[in-house]
Amino acid sequence: KQEVTQIPAALSVPEGENLVLNCSFTDSAIYNLQWFRQDPGKGLTSLLLIQSSQREQTSGRLNASLDKSSGRSTLYIAASQPGDSATYLCAVFGNEKLTFGTGTRLTIIP
Amino acid sequence: DADVTQTPRNRITKTGKRIMLECSQTKGHDRMYWYRQDPGLGLRLIYYSFDVKDINKGEISDGYSVSRQAQAKFSLSLESAIPNQTALYFCATSLGGAGNEQFFGPGTRLTVL
Repeated sequence: KQEVTQIPAALSVPEGENLVLNCSFTDSAIYNLQWFRQDPGKGLTSLLLIQSSQREQTSGRLNASLDKSSGRSTLYIAASQPGDSATYLCAVFGNEKLTFGTGTRLTIIP
Repeated sequence: DADVTQTPRNRITKTGKRIMLECSQTKGHDRMYWYRQDPGLGLRLIYYSFDVKDINKGEISDGYSVSRQAQAKFSLSLESAIPNQTALYFCATSLGGAGNEQFFGPGTRLTVL
């Protein structure tokens, strides 16, 4: 059974810093990995999707990497802003379904 | 306008009541999904549908049923609600084929007293 872990569960950093969020998974037989952002009361917003054959994806200040063999992914956020405060979830797709981590709650301190 | 909508957004009900949560999408996607989110447990898949005639159980389908009325509509029912079904429920959609990006609705917060 696939298990997805995100550590730390919560993170606070001053505005302007670069930061890294971590995601690990136990079964490397995945199609892809997806990073989401969740704001209170607003559901999930897809940030980046990395196919299993890819090593990284970039969108603006966000860069996600994938090391399938070691079961790890990182989400790098450059020059953090207060608007980046949210919960970040990673999810891996395999066996026809997404398996989610429990998320990292990020707070950017102005 | 939102591509994936859910109604109601909030619902408080009592134990034993029948509840239906509805999901509609304008993305033209074939696949639709229902998840629930509980604190500390992440999102878990309840049911999923690849098209109108193809409905599958997820990892936590007990106590739930679904109906895919059309390509754009997927409803989740709790036949007799119980307090441990209190959770945040999400609908999602994706294109057909394995591993396509999933797009989520805003969620329904359900409280069962």
